[in-house]
Amino acid sequence: QSVLTQPPSVSAAPGQKVTISCSGSSSNIGNNYVSWYQQLPGTAPKLLIYDNNERPSGIPDRFSGSKSGTSATLGITGLQTGDEADYYCGTWDSSLNILVFGGGTKLTVL
Amino acid sequence: QVQLQESGPGLVKPSETLSLTCTVSGGSISDYYWSWIRQPPGTRLEWIGYSYYSGSTNYNPSLKSRVSISVDTSKSQFSLRLSSVNAADTAVYYCARRCSACLHDAFDIWGQGTMVTVSS
Repeated sequence: QSVLTQPPSVSAAPGQKVTISCSGSSSNIGNNYVSWYQQLPGTAPKLLIYDNNERPSGIPDRFSGSKSGTSATLGITGLQTGDEADYYCGTWDSSLNILVFGGGTKLTVL
Repeated sequence: QVQLQESGPGLVKPSETLSLTCTVSGGSISDYYWSWIRQPPGTRLEWIGYSYYSGSTNYNPSLKSRVSISVDTSKSQFSLRLSSVNAADTAVYYCARRCSACLHDAFDIWGQGTMVTVSS
């Protein structure tokens, strides 16, 4: 069982918006910064969001991140079929002294 | 453009030591933290640990007694050694660079990953 909880799957139609939640606790999300990764089938994860809401160079502004209390959210607007992937949240856990990842959410673009 | 490439055996026998190397190309290995992350088949990512280019390390406590990460700046490589492996160590192993622009832990460059199976 993951320290960070994500919904197993979400789905939406092309062009629509979707949000993916990541729920944690005060020892991780509540007091640390969250990052988000996109993992396309058979490939390595790719950094989408760091420091809660910052995008690396080259990541389109269709992707956004936010944090409130012990939860974080990844938002994706203007969904494309190429966005179908697994999405993971990650952060440091100060009690366990490890970097932890969520269980992952599979996005289906219908 | 910085690229990472993992190399090492794809099959390791139980109780033996898993050894992987990550070669850094297109950029400097200095001034960064270098990490190993693994993903058992069909499951979540698991952080193994990281090493600063100068040698200081931080490991996942659940693996600390069996893991070692080292950096060889002369070869632009960093390595993972995981001893006394068992079937639970079967996973895709990724090497990754900690993002220097990030205030906190995030990984902006990843290798393609290498599958390691523990089996006799």
